[in-house]
Amino acid sequence: GAVVSQHPSRVICKSGTSVKIECRSLDFQATTMFWYRQFPKQSLMLMATSNEGSKATYEQGVEKDKFLINHASLTLSTLTVTSAHPEDSSFYICSATDRTYEQYFGPGTRLTVT
Amino acid sequence: GNSVTQMEGPVTLSEEAFLTINCTYTATGYPSLFWYVQYPGEGLQLLLKATKADDKGSNKGFEATYRKETTSFHLEKGSVQVSDSAVYFCALGKAAGNKLTFGGGTRVLVKP
Repeated sequence: GAVVSQHPSRVICKSGTSVKIECRSLDFQATTMFWYRQFPKQSLMLMATSNEGSKATYEQGVEKDKFLINHASLTLSTLTVTSAHPEDSSFYICSATDRTYEQYFGPGTRLTVT
Repeated sequence: GNSVTQMEGPVTLSEEAFLTINCTYTATGYPSLFWYVQYPGEGLQLLLKATKADDKGSNKGFEATYRKETTSFHLEKGSVQVSDSAVYFCALGKAAGNKLTFGGGTRVLVKP
């Protein structure tokens, strides 16, 4: 089946620094990737949708200058949390789709900002 | 807009008990419906799906039937195991390659 990886799986950073999270589709071409944020014991909140080669579409309330998304190829999207603060600590999950209804999810990245 | 409502948890069951998680949706047209499962500390895995009315999705003993008349997609399993302890998410998708709308998730705990 289709596999999506995320790296790193866990990251701890200091307040004010930036963190990059990678999302890769390993065995298919992902025309669209999605980035979600999940708080403890809550559902997934869609942050943005990115299509290869174009600017990401952000959901209402998500700061695009803080959460930079790049989808440079059909197998890689990156999310950079700029000037991270403790309130950005969360579980970030990406998913990818190849134009079918099905989305394939990555294993998630737990970000802790100290 | 689109929305998905599922029963709040946690749901606590004994092993071999019957599990039902209710899910209803609001959407125009004919969305595809999904159930995803999330084990602790992991991402989501697709459990089953149905793409049109009256379709039944099934996998690993779980079943759900797409009921357009009641706009529902309830998840059932006849005999749960401890390994079924997880959070289950109901979701709908309106178009190929488009974003999914998730329900709030239902935590299930199966005790031996």
